[in-house]
Amino acid sequence: QSALTQPASVSGSPGQSITISCTGTSSDVGSYNLVSWYQQHPGKAPKLMIYEGSKRPSGVSNRFSGSKSGNTASLTISGLQAEDEADYYCCSYAGSSIHVVFGGGTKLTVL
Amino acid sequence: EVQLVESGGGLVQPGGSLRLSCAASGFTFSSYWMHWVRQAPGKGLVWVSRINSDGSSTSYADSVKGRFTISRDNAKNTLYLQMNSLRAEDTAVYYCARAGAFSVATIDYWGQGTLVTVSS
Repeated sequence: QSALTQPASVSGSPGQSITISCTGTSSDVGSYNLVSWYQQHPGKAPKLMIYEGSKRPSGVSNRFSGSKSGNTASLTISGLQAEDEADYYCCSYAGSSIHVVFGGGTKLTVL
Repeated sequence: EVQLVESGGGLVQPGGSLRLSCAASGFTFSSYWMHWVRQAPGKGLVWVSRINSDGSSTSYADSVKGRFTISRDNAKNTLYLQMNSLRAEDTAVYYCARAGAFSVATIDYWGQGTLVTVSS
């Protein structure tokens, strides 16, 4: 049950785009199109931003997009805004016994 | 509006027990799978356990298997986590979370969490 691998931190200036990677294995990210991405502000509960790799829940800005290639999923945020500064976590289905596994989290700083 | 409200956290000594509860409202609780996810202070999210909609199937992270038990009471719209033989490394905020609006593997709503501190 190893965690998915994310960069510890990324940064960008307002208006720019950033991409956060999430690397798993052929037992999780690579086998299922069931990667989710969550945004968490300090002291708050996580919020679902992307599900099933690239789908956005109602109410989530279209500045957020997701993709997957092989064992690596990615979250792209375009037109960075100050309120995007938060921690971001990926999560993948990993089979019926383990169920889901999270990434270690990435701290996004908007410069 | 979907609401998940956790309770039952607190300070407990190593080796002790605690039962967390999560009161659900704003949706048909009995139709959704539920999860517990924890977050140690300053650390990332870690999946703990899940239960299917009727309570007949459960799964656990290796780190809590044999010590924690997830259960639910659909008549009371409440999810539980019984935690026994607690260790210092179990110290964390415990979140109750819902899955199943999109797929049973997608957590879409989270509670605000309840803090469990294991210390002597």
